[in-house]
Amino acid sequence: ETGVTQSPTHLIKTRGQQVTLRCSSQSGHNTVSWYQQALGQGPQFIFQYYREEENGRGNFPPRFSGLQFPNYSSELNVNALELDDSALYLCASSPGGQGSDTQYFGPGTRLTVL
Amino acid sequence: GESVGLHLPTLSVQEGDNSIINCAYSNSASDYFIWYKQESGKGPQFIIDIRSNMDKRQGQRVTVLLNKTVKHLSLQIAATQPGDSAVYFCAENMKDSNYQLIWGAGTKLIIKP
Repeated sequence: ETGVTQSPTHLIKTRGQQVTLRCSSQSGHNTVSWYQQALGQGPQFIFQYYREEENGRGNFPPRFSGLQFPNYSSELNVNALELDDSALYLCASSPGGQGSDTQYFGPGTRLTVL
Repeated sequence: GESVGLHLPTLSVQEGDNSIINCAYSNSASDYFIWYKQESGKGPQFIIDIRSNMDKRQGQRVTVLLNKTVKHLSLQIAATQPGDSAVYFCAENMKDSNYQLIWGAGTKLIIKP
């Protein structure tokens, strides 16, 4: 069974640029959630996708957007990057779109905005 | 707003001793709680979970206790080992909030040799 994978592992961008982060969910999982984790903080929920539809969103501006594909992999897009967007971006997958599903995390993508 | 938080940011424990990590939550409607372990440079790793209709759940070397009266959650690690060094997060699954996980700031567990 393959776990959650994310790419790239590290990324450096400049302010104002756009970035796309990718996530492959664990086999059999149809739900993907994205989190932002600043250094020394707990993860903050960005949004969740269930069967290719956005299933909930945290307190993040519209320049954070996402997609989920038919194979349940997902992308996180961030436009007009700001310095405060520098963080570890985590993807988690879960099996069934239910609130009590355990979420399994990938290793994260470390984004640095200069 | 509603939140999940931790009492202690850092906990130092002698190798072989038991560790207890505490967490407070404020949303009485939450029905599912999870403990995650995050090692440096890695994503959070699921340790154990508990639902609100339970008071205690045991895993391998870990026990989670839930006290709904005082909205308190704890993680007990038996016979702490060097590999247990990490940041531990409690997270609350809020089914009324589109299933997002709400996390505390984390407790760093340090193992003394």
